[in-house]
Amino acid sequence: EVQLVESGGGLVKPGGSLRLSCTASGFTFTDAWMSWVRQAPGKGLEWVGRIISKAGGATTDYAAPVKNRFTISRDDSQNTVYLQMNSLKIEDTAVYYCAWTGLSWFAFWGQGTLVTVSS
Amino acid sequence: DIQMTQSPSSLSASVGDRVIITCRASQNINNYLNWYQQRPGKAPKLLVYTTSSLHSGVPSKFIGSGSGTDFTLTISNLQPEDFATYYCQQSYSSPYTFGQGTKLEIK
Repeated sequence: EVQLVESGGGLVKPGGSLRLSCTASGFTFTDAWMSWVRQAPGKGLEWVGRIISKAGGATTDYAAPVKNRFTISRDDSQNTVYLQMNSLKIEDTAVYYCAWTGLSWFAFWGQGTLVTVSS
Repeated sequence: DIQMTQSPSSLSASVGDRVIITCRASQNINNYLNWYQQRPGKAPKLLVYTTSSLHSGVPSKFIGSGSGTDFTLTISNLQPEDFATYYCQQSYSSPYTFGQGTKLEIK
């Protein structure tokens, strides 16, 4: 059974940093492309970014609103993908989901972790 | 960026009904269109990928179709668990944009 478990969310002040983790099980993580998708309270879904497999170069790609502030990385030895979020803004407040990614579709999702940016 | 527009934004239907949700892309995305279901307070779930391929475990009552810029998701024989919000998403090019969602409510 595929499982994705996010952690690391919480309350942070504007300009602060937070690192989210997503630990996977039930599939071959080393081959997996992984994405982060967020959902602001009461709003729709927004793709944040993606990291491809190490065999593919572990290349990353980001949405414009988070580029140069957020960084996705992976530790295949821990079956974990990370989202490092710096220079956080109020508009980054959202539930952040990690997702096992097919060819840019999101096949399985974690339960999400809430990030609240507020002073 | 490719804009995805769903219609309607909300829809009321009864148990046993069939409904159709439409998604339009701002440019040709070939068949790179996916559909998700999100129940309140839960994570989204993939239903259909590349227009018409059913994700594992998804019942055949969900049918995706379309091409180019216009796509539909048809849901037959609505059951209480189908009342949720549905999103389309294009996977043709980055950034991988979603539609604004269609909330399906019980009449």
